[in-house]
Amino acid sequence: GAGVSQSPSNKVTEKGKDVELRCDPISGHTALYWYRQSLGQGLEFLIYFQGNSAPDKSGLPSDRFSAERTGGSVSTLTIQRTQQEDSAVYLCASSQPKSSYEQYFGPGTRLTVT
Amino acid sequence: GQNIDQPTEMTATEGAIVQINCTYQTSGFNGLFWYQQHAGEAPTFLSYNVLDGLEEKGRFSSFLSRSKGYSYLLLKELQMKDSASYLCAVRDFSGGYNKLIFGAGTRLAVHP
Repeated sequence: GAGVSQSPSNKVTEKGKDVELRCDPISGHTALYWYRQSLGQGLEFLIYFQGNSAPDKSGLPSDRFSAERTGGSVSTLTIQRTQQEDSAVYLCASSQPKSSYEQYFGPGTRLTVT
Repeated sequence: GQNIDQPTEMTATEGAIVQINCTYQTSGFNGLFWYQQHAGEAPTFLSYNVLDGLEEKGRFSSFLSRSKGYSYLLLKELQMKDSASYLCAVRDFSGGYNKLIFGAGTRLAVHP
């Protein structure tokens, strides 16, 4: 079946502009995660959605970052007033709700802020 | 707080065995994962440990000691395609959420 998909694959934007990144999880996966990965670095947790529960937003680096998950499926990560330090690969992952289940990652969106 | 440590880089020879260590500190441990990530690609799942001991899966094995906050990933019969970053990730259940905290990753270079 289809895996996790993300769009766009690449995004170049000017400093100060807003961007929206989209994630389509695997059908039936109730857990959805957003991560950020800077060049040569590990994954930085941003936000976690689980079913209809309130999301864990503890990893969002500033109030310029927000995310929604509509209908328990598609998620959008929005970055307002982008800064150069926001340049990174943004990865989305989904999983079954049980803690033993691994996360399946999408291909990522490479964001470049000029 | 949470902290995960693993070596930054390792090198090994094709056909050899390599062990990648990971130590962690977390308040609500609920399992440990290893992921493989080739350059420019998304991470892919390798293994999961929640109880102490060794989990073997083909050429890859993963070990966990919860009392020591320690895990390792063992790769046998190394192949050139094993050159990648290996990410240790701890599932932390604190604050009512069950999230995955990743280490910075270990870049493994396999040489002929």
